[in-house]
Amino acid sequence: DTEVTQTPKHLVMGMTNKKSLKCEQHMGHRAMYWYKQKAKKPPELMFVYSYEKLSINESVPSRFSPECPNSSLLNLHLHALQPEDSALYLCASSQIGRGRSTETQYFGPGTRLLVL
Amino acid sequence: ILNVEQSPQSLHVQEGDSTNFTCSFPSSNFYALHWYRWETAKSPEALFVMTLNGDEKKKGRISATLNTKEGYSYLYIKGSQPEDSATYLCATSPFGNEKLTFGTGTRLTIIP
Repeated sequence: DTEVTQTPKHLVMGMTNKKSLKCEQHMGHRAMYWYKQKAKKPPELMFVYSYEKLSINESVPSRFSPECPNSSLLNLHLHALQPEDSALYLCASSQIGRGRSTETQYFGPGTRLLVL
Repeated sequence: ILNVEQSPQSLHVQEGDSTNFTCSFPSSNFYALHWYRWETAKSPEALFVMTLNGDEKKKGRISATLNTKEGYSYLYIKGSQPEDSATYLCATSPFGNEKLTFGTGTRLTIIP
């Protein structure tokens, strides 16, 4: 199974809502990633977890809160978002992370988020 | 070059023709070059990871070359088929860091 799944596929939320994005993989990977892609822009890294510990935080605002409850699951908790946070949120996983530059990252199909 | 850049932004190619496009990147702090293929509404699919100057990798009708000294990679598709229609993304990663920095992609459309 080389699949990374993400739920939901689409999400519409108001600026006062709290919601969560979920990502799951069953490849035995120990590194998981959140990327954000705005329209016509490249995906940008937000967070990296390696062995369930946060290893990279790309100065993301605190209204985005990642969580890695176990090695297969990655959540992104959303609270008090702004309309400019509307984007495609991609999850990825790789074998180990920990600075391994040549590891292939396997991506999910993304959650398209609209903040009203 | 300060960022990862891809050209052209979009490309229409007749079925059966061969095509290629470019990824340019800063050669300083570079370690690995990743190519991905991303069909609409699907997950980005990894094609190649390359590190060595002069390296060439091949997967079916798709191949890629890497020039680390001048900071570019070419992706070639031979005998384009409709299923090749997708956005092709390249990304770099520095040594000792799994962070990928992506280009904006080349959107390829194959005309039957």
